[in-house]
Amino acid sequence: ETGVTQTPRHLVMGMTNKKSLKCEQHLGHNAMYWYKQSAKKPLELMFVYSLEERVENNSVPSRFSPECPNSSHLFLHLHTLQPEDSALYLCASSQVLRVAYNSPLHFGNGTRLTVT
Amino acid sequence: SQQGEEDPQALSIQEGENATMNCSYKTSINNLQWYRQNSGRGLVHLILIRSNEREKHSGRLRVTLDTSKKSSSLLITASRAADTASYFCATGNRDDKIIFGKGTRLHILP
Repeated sequence: ETGVTQTPRHLVMGMTNKKSLKCEQHLGHNAMYWYKQSAKKPLELMFVYSLEERVENNSVPSRFSPECPNSSHLFLHLHTLQPEDSALYLCASSQVLRVAYNSPLHFGNGTRLTVT
Repeated sequence: SQQGEEDPQALSIQEGENATMNCSYKTSINNLQWYRQNSGRGLVHLILIRSNEREKHSGRLRVTLDTSKKSSSLLITASRAADTASYFCATGNRDDKIIFGKGTRLHILP
């Protein structure tokens, strides 16, 4: 049990589908993150939320739409994806956003997304 | 943009030997973190070293940081089969971003 739970673990979707990834953290953390992990690439930071407010949007295409209804839940809504969007999507949380407070990231086990 | 870069990309050693992985980065940092990822799982935080620290230990792990060379190393002593995983360094930057490298794939041979 990592304290950060992601569902579903696996998702296969067509390019015209709409789906959502869900992340829930049970750690009482204030910051939540979406990362994309593709083969042979570094983890790519997609979105950051601090106290339910989006503070980072790293030039992510609009076909990815995040939502943070409260500090424990984070969603990533997907629509009209491309095959190159196939990857492992990782959610993480940290106690606070500020790096200076030396708060490590706690990751979920990810959603393996395949776009056909 | 990539900040940390691990070296080597892949490493195979015999069980019981020590494993050393290196990480280089480009800009000033607040801290540097090492994470482990087992196949098909999320990343697990191993150790964090602050920019004003030079060495840190946690069990069989030893991390060093040389800010003048912008580099860090992770040493795993007396390796075990369960240490087989990918290891990532991540820099905690002054713009509040945590940026990961591509990782080192470590394989412990029985």
